[in-house]
Amino acid sequence: QSVLTQPPSASGTPGQRVTISCSGSSSNIGSNYVYWYQQLPGTAPKLLIYRNNQRPSGVPDRFSGSKSGTSASLAISGLRSEDEADYYCAAWDDSLSGFHAVFGGGTQLTVL
Amino acid sequence: QVQLQESGPGLVKPSQTLSLTCTVSGGSISSGSYYWSWIRQPAGKGLEWIGRIYTSGSTNYNPSLKSRVTISVDTSKNQFSLKLSSVTAADTAVYYCARAEVDYYGSIWSGEYFDYWGQGTLVTVSS
Repeated sequence: QSVLTQPPSASGTPGQRVTISCSGSSSNIGSNYVYWYQQLPGTAPKLLIYRNNQRPSGVPDRFSGSKSGTSASLAISGLRSEDEADYYCAAWDDSLSGFHAVFGGGTQLTVL
Repeated sequence: QVQLQESGPGLVKPSQTLSLTCTVSGGSISSGSYYWSWIRQPAGKGLEWIGRIYTSGSTNYNPSLKSRVTISVDTSKNQFSLKLSSVTAADTAVYYCARAEVDYYGSIWSGEYFDYWGQGTLVTVSS
């Protein structure tokens, strides 16, 4: 059971806008930045969003992130076939159990 | 361009210790504000952070694995390593090493993100 909660799947048609949610708690999302990673089949994850809504160089502006309270969202606009991948949210958690990174369970995005 | 490469046995027997090494190339493991992490992914499942180390030797571990994990660093070899003891079939996974760049707000830690990853290595726990 992952600390951060994501829907297991999402889908959309080319050109559509899709959002993926990520829910956490006050010890992680509520008090720290949210990060998003994209994992294409058979490859290592790749950083997509940092500091809630910042894109590393090379990441298209079709990808955007937001955060409100203990939840966050990743939006993908102008959906393309190459966006078909697994998406993971992540945050740092500082609770009584210790300081550590936590991930969501991942959302498998299908481009119909 | 920084590159990370995991190495180690692909098969470990139950109750034994899993040992992996990550070799960093294209930059010194000691330079900059970076932590070095291990992350794993069972087949068809999500990512699980195992722990991290700074080149000073300071470590943090996932509370759920803390009693079995040791991460160490060898700056002379530009490597860091993972040891996971008393393994079971549940520890079968692809293991990734990754660099975490520290995000600062002024001089205060405000987060870290994994910007470079190894390709991953499959470790199977089986007799």
